[in-house]
This record gives sequence, C-alpha cells and structure tokens, in this order.
Amino acid sequence: KAGVTQTPRYLIKTRGQQVTLSCSPISGHRSVSWYQQTPGQGLQFLFEYFSETQRNKGNFPGRFSGRQFSNSRSEMNVSTLELGDSALYLCASSLTSGVAGEQFFGPGTRLTVL
Amino acid sequence: AQTVTQSQPEMSVQEAETVTLSCTYDTSESDYYLFWYKQPPSRQMILVIRQEAYKQQNATENRFSVNFQKAAKSFSLKISDSQLGDAAMYFCAYRSITNAGKSTFGDGTTLTVKP
Repeated sequence: KAGVTQTPRYLIKTRGQQVTLSCSPISGHRSVSWYQQTPGQGLQFLFEYFSETQRNKGNFPGRFSGRQFSNSRSEMNVSTLELGDSALYLCASSLTSGVAGEQFFGPGTRLTVL
Repeated sequence: AQTVTQSQPEMSVQEAETVTLSCTYDTSESDYYLFWYKQPPSRQMILVIRQEAYKQQNATENRFSVNFQKAAKSFSLKISDSQLGDAAMYFCAYRSITNAGKSTFGDGTTLTVKP
C-alpha cells in the first residue's frame, strides 16, 4: 500500500506570493491533518479535514487555508507569504478521525520564502 | 490547552546500551492518547509506540517501552539495545479524545547513537 505522498517536496517562493501544497493520503484514509514544523516553533497543528469538512483548526492566521476533495486528497494554501512561513509542512492521514486512528505522516514539503 | 514538554534537547547513547527519553504533559482531561514518534534525518515521521491513558499497563514494542505515570503526567520512552538506526529526533505527542484530529507535540529530543 502506498504511503502518504506530498507534492512538491521542495518549493521556493518570494514574499507576497501564494503557494498551494498537496497531500495524497493512504488509500482508504479519510482524515488528513496538516502541521508546520520550524526550528523555533517545533511542530504546530494547522488543521484537520475529514470527509471534505474541516474538523479542527490551529492558531494560524487566515492566510492559511485548506480543503479536502471527495477522493480525500487535501490541499493547503498560504497566501501573501511571509519570511516566517518558511518551514517543513507535514501532512498526516488516518483511517478515521478518532484518536485510535494512527496518523501516518508524509515526507513533507520544504517551503522556503525569500 | 494541552502542553507537552521534552526537557532533553539532545541525548546520546552507546550502541547496545539503554537510553530513556523524558516527556511530561499537562492536561485536565482524563482520557487521551500519548505517542512517541521518530523522525530520522530523511524527515519521514514514524510512529514508535502508543499509550492509551485508561490502560495502566505500559506499552511495549520490541526494544521500545514506555513508563507511563498518569498521576505525574509523565510519559518516558526507553530504548533498549540501542542501534545505529535509532539515531533520530524523537517527539512525544498528545492527542485528545475530544479533539482527535490534532496532535500536540513536544519540541523533540535528538538522539545520537555512538558506535
């Protein structure tokens, strides 16, 4: 079974631009969560989608948004990029939205904002 | 809000020896899950072990075991017979029953294994 895939793996943008990251969960998984990982802030939860609905949201500004499609693939969008948005963005999928569902992480997208 | 604290930014262990990584958390909830994840230099996060708060028995997965002290809100990871492949950053994480899609992570502990 294929694991969680994230595209692109690396991305370089400039301040003010916008970016869209994609996450394809493991086949059959319906929950997708997004995390931002930085050296200073560690791993921070962005949001979770389950069956195309946002179930949870972290403390990030409205520039960060996401969506989930009917095939459970998810996209994350960041508008008006700032230098501080440079980070590794991880997505994780699980079979259900319940706690018992193990989260499987993708390799991440490394975003650099210049 | 829940918080997770890993007080050891870096740890090192000799190959074949045992090492314990510390984790404490703060929560007002009585039922939750705790996890240890491993993130090798390749950056793919992997689940190492999971503990359900309502289970008193400590979880074990081969060379990995936990010491779960619910009253003390402590959740340490013991790695026995350390191997070079164990070198990685280890994250302790908390997941709430009521907010299941969100994991709260500690800052991580970088483990070095010396040959």
